[in-house]
Amino acid sequence: DTAVSQTPKYLVTQMGNDKSIKCEQNLGHDTMYWYKQDSKKFLKIMFSYNNKELIINETVPNRFSPKSPDKAHLNLHINSLELGDSAVYFCASSQDSSGTSGRAAGIQETQYFGPGTRLLVL
Amino acid sequence: GQNIDQPTEMTATEGAIVQINCTYQTSGFNGLFWYQQHAGEAPTFLSYNVLDGLEEKGRFSSFLSRSKGYSYLLLKELQMKDSASYLCAVLDSNYQLIWGAGTKLIIKP
Repeated sequence: DTAVSQTPKYLVTQMGNDKSIKCEQNLGHDTMYWYKQDSKKFLKIMFSYNNKELIINETVPNRFSPKSPDKAHLNLHINSLELGDSAVYFCASSQDSSGTSGRAAGIQETQYFGPGTRLLVL
Repeated sequence: GQNIDQPTEMTATEGAIVQINCTYQTSGFNGLFWYQQHAGEAPTFLSYNVLDGLEEKGRFSSFLSRSKGYSYLLLKELQMKDSASYLCAVLDSNYQLIWGAGTKLIIKP
């Protein structure tokens, strides 16, 4: 069983289009994340979300919007795609992000990643 | 600002030992993670340190010194499959995970 899954794995599209990437986790985790990894391999957090709070990285353009139908899913919708959006997008989840301290934080905060979606905007 | 520094790339020989360093300056500290990422794949969890000292897990060990803002990942008996990027990430006072840019480790026969 795949713990964190994403679809599609590859996405090639034209500039200006709107697209969505889906993410599902079957770990029973409360917190989910979206990351962008560019050609330089730097992982950049875009959003983190649990049933209490959505935290948005302020540098993320508002063309990107997360949508969560339930706590097992966090989809990423992108409007008006641009060439610079080409990257690998990773979804991740963690048990909780409620601020548990000490060694327990290692269990709560460990993030498990999906396989990634390789987006190419032409 | 928050900053995590790792070497960009390291090369080592199969069977040898390599140490990948990570220094950090963050607003608060609630633990440090190491992740492994093979080319074209997702990052996978390796270790978590929140107290000073060495944590050993098979061929991999991770060390933390909170007073120095320093950690290292030690890989022993290197195998070709250890060729990957190794990402250091720190959990700050807001429980946000701050990621380093990763160290690409190249293993040569």
